[in-house]
Amino acid sequence: DQQVKQNSPSLSVQEGRISILNCDYTNSMFDYFLWYKKYPAEGPTFLISISSIKDKNEDGRFTVFLNKSAKHLSLHIVPSQPGDSAVYFCAAEGPGANNLFFGTGTRLTVIP
Amino acid sequence: EAQVTQNPRYLITVTGKKLTVTCSQNMNHEYMSWYRQDPGLGLRQIYYSMNVEVTDKGDVPEGYKVSRKEKRNFPLILESPSPNQTSLYFCASSFGSYNEQFFGPGTRLTVL
Repeated sequence: DQQVKQNSPSLSVQEGRISILNCDYTNSMFDYFLWYKKYPAEGPTFLISISSIKDKNEDGRFTVFLNKSAKHLSLHIVPSQPGDSAVYFCAAEGPGANNLFFGTGTRLTVIP
Repeated sequence: EAQVTQNPRYLITVTGKKLTVTCSQNMNHEYMSWYRQDPGLGLRQIYYSMNVEVTDKGDVPEGYKVSRKEKRNFPLILESPSPNQTSLYFCASSFGSYNEQFFGPGTRLTVL
């Protein structure tokens, strides 16, 4: 059973606009969340993370928002750039768990 | 350069022929893991290792073996590969839980 879900397989956004990628989780024990970006023929690379004690974490053009009551997080990219076109994976882990649970990914296409 | 390397990058084999995919990291990470990526399923963890001689099952361990005799190496062994193990495999390492994982470039395996 998928504990981390990304319900949008793909998203297209115009260059310069905001990209919003969503992620839902079912396990209330998860307390650390990460976003990874993946280009074709490469391994995923870490983008940004957030601990459950926060509801927002920002790093340059990337901001992650966490809504614990809704078990939902989102990644905002603004402004979007063509180089942001990639597959984005949401991941989560919890206390005592030594494994990371990944979502199915969202393919973002930024149109020049 | 800090990196995770995997070999081979591409492999086509036949059912039942034992194979090993090597993984090595040069960051002195304690934690290493193997994932497989399949369409519509995202990344699923196969096995992980918290340190030398300490390994444990992830979500989809059936048909796989691992070993961790040295800190830097974490090979994935398929004793008798089957077509349902055709997938894209990633090795990853980190300093431990609640730390970003660094991924290798991936190994695309086809079992005929």
